[in-house]
Amino acid sequence: AQSVTQLDSQVPVFEEAPVELRCNYSSSVSVYLFWYVQYPNQGLQLLLKYLSGSTLVKGINGFEAEFNKSQTSFHLRKPSVHISDTAEYFCAVSDSRASKIIFGSGTRLSIRP
Amino acid sequence: GAGVSQSPSNKVTEKGKDVELRCDPISGHTALYWYRQSLGQGLEFLIYFQGNSAPDKSGLPSDRFSAERTGGSVSTLTIQRTQQEDSAVYLCASSLGAAPPLHFGNGTRLTVT
Repeated sequence: AQSVTQLDSQVPVFEEAPVELRCNYSSSVSVYLFWYVQYPNQGLQLLLKYLSGSTLVKGINGFEAEFNKSQTSFHLRKPSVHISDTAEYFCAVSDSRASKIIFGSGTRLSIRP
Repeated sequence: GAGVSQSPSNKVTEKGKDVELRCDPISGHTALYWYRQSLGQGLEFLIYFQGNSAPDKSGLPSDRFSAERTGGSVSTLTIQRTQQEDSAVYLCASSLGAAPPLHFGNGTRLTVT
């Protein structure tokens, strides 16, 4: 069975600073990995995904994530954040048979001007 | 339809009553998921459908919860004898093929008084 751990429940950063949101997973099989974002009072939407191939994945709004199999991690990064990035970010994992998709507990990113 | 549609958007019910939550997935999407999002918590997996069958019901919290899907389309999540701890936002998502991302609905906010 898969599981996902998001190590930080809240991450405050200053505008234009870099940010990293951490995600670790466990699985006994090959995995697909995802980051979803939930802006205030909105539904969840896909930010980026790793299915196979290059371990560095680029998503929308300047975000990227790197799949590290040896460390079982899929950390999300952005070199310079904007106020509009204020949201809750969820890491998710499914096995390569693409069945059940498990979400982490979320990381609330707050941007200070 | 253009997206995943959930109804009702809000539901207030008295403790002990039964409720039905409906999800209309994106046309042609074979996979359908139900999640529960409680205040300050992540997304809790409830159940997953592939077509009309549910290979994984492991997330249903108790036997008061059940779900069905008919015609490979609409799904209904039923909660019997609701309790206050059932209060949450219930999210439905659908996906196409073997490599999701998930497309989420806006959720049903259930309040049990």
